[in-house]
Amino acid sequence: GENVEQHPSTLSVQEGDSAVIKCTYSDSASNYFPWYKQELGKGPQLIIDIRSNVGEKKDQRIAVTLNKTAKHFSLHITETQPEDSAVYFCAAITPSNGAQKLVFGQGTRLTINP
Amino acid sequence: SQTIHQWPATLVQPVGSPLSLECTVEGTSNPNLYWYRQAAGRGLQLLFYSVGIGQISSEVPQNLSASRPQDRQFILSSKKLLLSDSGFYLCAWRSDRISPQHFGDGTRLSIL
Repeated sequence: GENVEQHPSTLSVQEGDSAVIKCTYSDSASNYFPWYKQELGKGPQLIIDIRSNVGEKKDQRIAVTLNKTAKHFSLHITETQPEDSAVYFCAAITPSNGAQKLVFGQGTRLTINP
Repeated sequence: SQTIHQWPATLVQPVGSPLSLECTVEGTSNPNLYWYRQAAGRGLQLLFYSVGIGQISSEVPQNLSASRPQDRQFILSSKKLLLSDSGFYLCAWRSDRISPQHFGDGTRLSIL
């Protein structure tokens, strides 16, 4: 089955700098890759996603890139702000399973230092 | 718009007691529904999913069970809780077409 690895597990950056979180996946058939942000005591919230027919997607300060050949995808946050501090999860879906089960990475705790 | 509700938000239960957590989705029909567990500081583990009323698939052997008595209602249960059942339980839904999963705000379960 699909396996998703996420790095780093913790990341600390200065306010205003950029943050990059990387994930790799094992199943070349995976075709959908969402990113979630989880704040303390809350459920994960979808912040951006990308499908396998696209190499890059951007939404204001957030961007995701996908390299299908290398089977990895990354989240980029520019001009970081204190409210970006949270745990971020990447995930992948393999189309072969009818219930569209997400396989999650282990998460990255991002801390933005003022 | 679609919304998802989970309750209770927090729960403290003694070992050996029963459990019932409820999740409901509004604003959509025939959603896929999911129960996840998240241990402290860890990732999300899929416990159960359902593609329709009465259809439940279990991902891992465990002390818990799930039921879907109505189209937009998903229930997580246990007859006798174990200490290892402590955690943060999240319900999620997605529509029946290719779309992202959306999560509720979870139930924090503590077993004493």
